[in-house]
Amino acid sequence: AQKVTQAQTEISVVEKEDVTLDCVYETRDTTYYLFWYKQPPSGELVFLIRRNSFDEQNEISGRYSWNFQKSTSSFNFTITASQVVDSAVYFCALSEATSSGSARQLTFGSGTQLTVLP
Amino acid sequence: DTGVSQDPRHKITKRGQNVTFRCDPISEHNRLYWYRQTLGQGPEFLTYFQNEAQLEKSRLLSDRFSAERPKGSFSTLEIQRTEQGDSAMYLCASSLLMVADTQYFGPGTRLTVL
Repeated sequence: AQKVTQAQTEISVVEKEDVTLDCVYETRDTTYYLFWYKQPPSGELVFLIRRNSFDEQNEISGRYSWNFQKSTSSFNFTITASQVVDSAVYFCALSEATSSGSARQLTFGSGTQLTVLP
Repeated sequence: DTGVSQDPRHKITKRGQNVTFRCDPISEHNRLYWYRQTLGQGPEFLTYFQNEAQLEKSRLLSDRFSAERPKGSFSTLEIQRTEQGDSAMYLCASSLLMVADTQYFGPGTRLTVL
């Protein structure tokens, strides 16, 4: 069975601080996909990034960066120079791959509420 | 591209009533998913369709829940004889079947059962 753990329930930082959101996952599959989604107060889940299990390269997109480490089953998300608009709930999710390589349904963590104070 | 849309956005009903929600996926997306999210939790998978075929259902989906996607486009999720425990946000997502496809979510329907 799959499982995603986001141990940080709530994090509060002051604007311009860097913040890292932790994600630890469990799966028996050798091929799987990891995702991060953002859920602002409006409620709609916004896709941020997808990572394939066979690609451990870290990724940077503007102020966002992701650190994928298979050895520790972790897929952490760092926001550099945080802004008030980053305040949201962030979800890490895991999907097994089908035999053809497509993703299956998502298993989500319980989310981390990030509050960025001005 | 128009995103995933859901209707209604909010629904208040009395216990025992039936409710139906609609989801319109992103155009040409052939996969459609339903999830349920309760307060303080991540979304939980309910069911998904590939075109008009319902390929998987979660054990969370009791007999009171039924979903359809009759022409492989929009989908409906019906809950019969609602219970207070059904109060939640119901999320719809769609994706295009391919290697490593990504699901895009709609705004959700918030159901309150009184």
